[in-house]
Amino acid sequence: AQSVTQLDSQVPVFEEAPVELRCNYSSSVSVYLFWYVQYPNQGLQLLLKYLSGSTLVKGINGFEAEFNKSQTSFHLRKPSVHISDTAEYFCAVSELTGFQKLVFGTGTRLLVSP
Amino acid sequence: DAGVTQSPTHLIKTRGQHVTLRCSPISGHKSVSWYQQVLGQGPQFIFQYYEKEERGRGNFPDRFSARQFPNYSSELNVNALLLGDSALYLCASSSEAGTSGNTIYFGEGSWLTVV
Repeated sequence: AQSVTQLDSQVPVFEEAPVELRCNYSSSVSVYLFWYVQYPNQGLQLLLKYLSGSTLVKGINGFEAEFNKSQTSFHLRKPSVHISDTAEYFCAVSELTGFQKLVFGTGTRLLVSP
Repeated sequence: DAGVTQSPTHLIKTRGQHVTLRCSPISGHKSVSWYQQVLGQGPQFIFQYYEKEERGRGNFPDRFSARQFPNYSSELNVNALLLGDSALYLCASSSEAGTSGNTIYFGEGSWLTVV
């Protein structure tokens, strides 16, 4: 079984500042890793995913994440945030084989203020 | 192209009642999954259907059931509603059965309130 831990429930940051949202996972098998964003009253949108290859993954809206196998982490970063980045961010994992099941963390609310 | 569409967007039910939620996947997608997102938590996997067959089931009671139709749309049914079933129910679609290299697209969800 897999589990995902997002230690920060809320991250306040000023506009144009850098941000890092932390994600750690636990799994007895290799996994794929994902970051999704949820804007208020909307569904989930995929930001980026790590399947294999380069451990630095670039996604939409200027976000990137780095996979660290030894630390079982997949932290999300953005060098300069905008007000419009205010949203809930979810880290998720899935097994490489079998049926399609995402296991999500509890989410981190990013609050960007002017 | 239309994304994943869900209906209804909001509904209120009484304890003990039954509810049916509907989902239309992105055109060409044969896989539909359902997730429950309780307020303040991450989504929890309920079911996956692919080509009208159940491919996976999460840790939910038998009160929860689903099916997929020949046009790949899907219904999620919940019987004997409990207050704890109040949540956002998300439908997701993808073109493949597994997750390898495959993007999963989510709808905006159906908000269910049980009173």
